[in-house]
Amino acid sequence: EDKVVQSPLSLVVHEGDTVTLNCSYEVTNFRSLLWYKQEKKAPTFLFMLTSSGIEKKSGRLSSILDKKELFSILNITATQTGDSAIYLCASDSGGYQKVTFGTGTKLQVIP
Amino acid sequence: DTAVSQTPKYLVTQMGNDKSIKCEQNLGHDTMYWYKQDSKKFLKIMFSYNNKELIINETVPNRFSPKSPDKAHLNLHINSLELGDSAVYFCASSSNNPGNEQFFGPGTRLTVL
Repeated sequence: EDKVVQSPLSLVVHEGDTVTLNCSYEVTNFRSLLWYKQEKKAPTFLFMLTSSGIEKKSGRLSSILDKKELFSILNITATQTGDSAIYLCASDSGGYQKVTFGTGTKLQVIP
Repeated sequence: DTAVSQTPKYLVTQMGNDKSIKCEQNLGHDTMYWYKQDSKKFLKIMFSYNNKELIINETVPNRFSPKSPDKAHLNLHINSLELGDSAVYFCASSSNNPGNEQFFGPGTRLTVL
């Protein structure tokens, strides 16, 4: 059975701090790893990673994948209160896009 | 323009009832999904439909049945509701390209009393 594990489960930081969220996976037929941000409602897409070692960046957020060690990290620099959310990692495998989500990391940024 | 929409947003009902949640996407995607998110925020896939064909059914009780009248719609019917069915149900869609992102609907919060 495919498995995605995220750590830490929750995190409280102050504005301006840098955080690193972790995601490890055990997946057959791995194709890509996806990061989502979930605030009050639906998850919204952040990144899709398919190749090892290539960093994807969007503003203060960046992510990288290590396919040898089977993990990914999501970095957020200079955190703001608006970054407070649950960050979900998901693996995409199989011929018809079987997606397995991790349990999520709840990030709270306090002023 | 709403990409993935769900109705209703909230649903409160008694145990034993039958209910439906509707989902529509206007993105032209070929694959649609239903997810259940429990109180611990764990998001678990229930079904996915590709061109009207059910392709994943993740050990979901047969009280749950997805119905897709066309590729833009995937409705979820639930029979004989139980307390444990209380959760937020998300619909999502994606294109057929491998590894593409999924677009999620706003969710339907189901409470079974």
